[in-house]
Parts: sequence; C-alpha cells; structure tokens
Amino acid sequence: ETGVTQTPRHLVMGMTNKKSLKCEQHLGHNAMYWYKQSAKKPLELMFVYNFKEQTENNSVPSRFSPECPNSSHLFLHLHTLQPEDSALYLCASSQIQGAGTEAFFGQGTRLTVV
Amino acid sequence: AQKVTQAQTEISVVEKEDVTLDCVYETRDTTYYLFWYKQPPSGELVFLIRRNSFDEQNEISGRYSWNFQKSTSSFNFTITASQVVDSAVYFCALSEVVRYGNKLVFGAGTILRVKS
Repeated sequence: ETGVTQTPRHLVMGMTNKKSLKCEQHLGHNAMYWYKQSAKKPLELMFVYNFKEQTENNSVPSRFSPECPNSSHLFLHLHTLQPEDSALYLCASSQIQGAGTEAFFGQGTRLTVV
Repeated sequence: AQKVTQAQTEISVVEKEDVTLDCVYETRDTTYYLFWYKQPPSGELVFLIRRNSFDEQNEISGRYSWNFQKSTSSFNFTITASQVVDSAVYFCALSEVVRYGNKLVFGAGTILRVKS
C-alpha cells in the first residue's frame, strides 16, 4: 500500500451535486491536511487536522466541509461548488514534531466542476 | 508573513545538461525549515529534501545538490547531468508552525522539461 491514498483520482461534478473526496494514510502520522492546487494560484493549505481536531481553516468557503473520523482517514465533502473550484486537491499527512517534519502527499483528486 | 518565490516559471534543457532551480524565501522566524518537492505528471508531491535554518551546509544526494544561503535567503536546487525522468514541476516550500500542525507555504513551482 502506498503511504497516502486518495480516491477518486478524477471527479466531474455539477454545481448542484454533493460529492466527497477520501484520503487514507498508512504511515501512522498524527496530522492530516487538505491542499488545493489550481492553475492560477500556488499550492495552498485548506485544512489541518490533528487527532481529529481541526486546527486550521484558511478562510475556506463553507461549501467545502472536512471530516476526520480518525487519525488515518480524512474526507472533504463538497456541495454547491463553483467552476472556479476546479483544481487538484491534495491530501497530505505528517508526524508533528515541531516545524521540521516533511509532509507526505497523495496523488490528488482532479476535480472539474461543470 | 511567509513567502516563497520561484522566479523561473519554466526551464527547458537537453539531457545531460546541469540545471539550477532558484528559490528565495521570506520569513521573520529565526528557526525555520525549507523543503523541496517534485511533482511528476502523476500528481503526487514527492519529498526531496528538508533543511533547517541552522544548517547551512550544502547537501549532495546523487545527482541532486542544494545550496542554502541564509545571507541571501536562498535555497537553490541543482540537478547534475539531467535526465528525461527529471521532467516534473519542482516546488520549494517553507514550513510554518500552526496550531498542532505544520503549514507548508509553497512557491509557484518551476516546470522542468528535459529533452532527449
């Protein structure tokens, strides 16, 4: 099994749909993240979860709703998205020991909103 | 605020050429960490190296080398004798501690194309 697995790899959804992105990490890490990579902006952090507690929300619109049921799984629930939300959504995990630990990333979900 | 600048949007080289990717950062922290990641076409970001602000020694790993200069706030990455498999997007990042987590502040990335 790879370290961080994301499903689905590709997703096309209408603006009125509800869908969820799933992330699973097999590394025993205690923190998980959602990052967004769009064509016009650098990679940007959306959410951080540590021990199921959300500790960071970078002013993300409420149409994105994260869920972290345990330390190995992270979801991103999507509803009433806009075309500008089309992007690559990357999940990552890390073991928190100060600021120096590297994050391990999944392959991402390529989301297209039509 | 933390900021990372990768001024080179895209670089094209011919196989076996050496190539250097530039990274300049801004931070007010005295202790900080810098990273390089590689993003191949498959999409995932692959960790390459971590450097802390107290360690200014250059590092070499095979064909890869990194030059960290605190005086110029730069952390440049050189690939020696480039290969087609090196074609990818390369990101420089600065780590910022947030509550119970680490936030990576990324540069815009440099697309490297290595032609045979």
